[in-house]
Amino acid sequence: LAKTTQPISMDSYEGQEVNITCSHNNIATNDYITWYQQFPSQGPRFIIQGYKTKVTNEVASLFIPADRKSSTLSLPRVSLSDTAVYYCLVGDIEYNNNDMRFGAGTRLTVKP
Amino acid sequence: DTGVSQDPRHKITKRGQNVTFRCDPISEHNRLYWYRQTLGQGPEFLTYFQNEAQLEKSRLLSDRFSAERPKGSFSTLEIQRTEQGDSAMYLCASSRDRGLVSNTEAFFGQGTRLTVV
Repeated sequence: LAKTTQPISMDSYEGQEVNITCSHNNIATNDYITWYQQFPSQGPRFIIQGYKTKVTNEVASLFIPADRKSSTLSLPRVSLSDTAVYYCLVGDIEYNNNDMRFGAGTRLTVKP
Repeated sequence: DTGVSQDPRHKITKRGQNVTFRCDPISEHNRLYWYRQTLGQGPEFLTYFQNEAQLEKSRLLSDRFSAERPKGSFSTLEIQRTEQGDSAMYLCASSRDRGLVSNTEAFFGQGTRLTVV
């Protein structure tokens, strides 16, 4: 299983773009990259998933370089409500494999 | 509400008592996961079901813990002879088996917060 490394915490201000990078040096050919968001006293919520290059949805963008050894979650113009913990997961597409394992995540604090 | 639901939301129990939690996954999801989360930590994987089959069990899951998923629908997690160290948030998640596509997109419930006194 590929392991991930993320910064423990980050601070930002309202209206700024936030980029959270996850390192996964041992990522395998079949692995996808998935990001979750968790607010206090709630379960994690799926944000975005990608395999290579760039993926964008209504919440965030995910940038994955050609070597796929890292990925960057980009949150445009953050607000106070984006204060949460963000987790990066790397998962294998092999049938029946369970890669739903979380690390410590990155605690993002958005300040006014 | 078609999301993952967990019951109860909160449970306070005395040390040594048994507790049971229930998780109702999204109806068409055949994968179900249980996690434990303590303050400041990420969710720790406990166990995982594919339909009614328990396919993986973490070494964190001592003999006091048991999970079932009869008929591949709802699941229960029982903790016997609770200890203070069992105090945590217990999270359930479900996902659809997508075959040869990454299975790391899951939907989580609100969790059950257990306090052992």
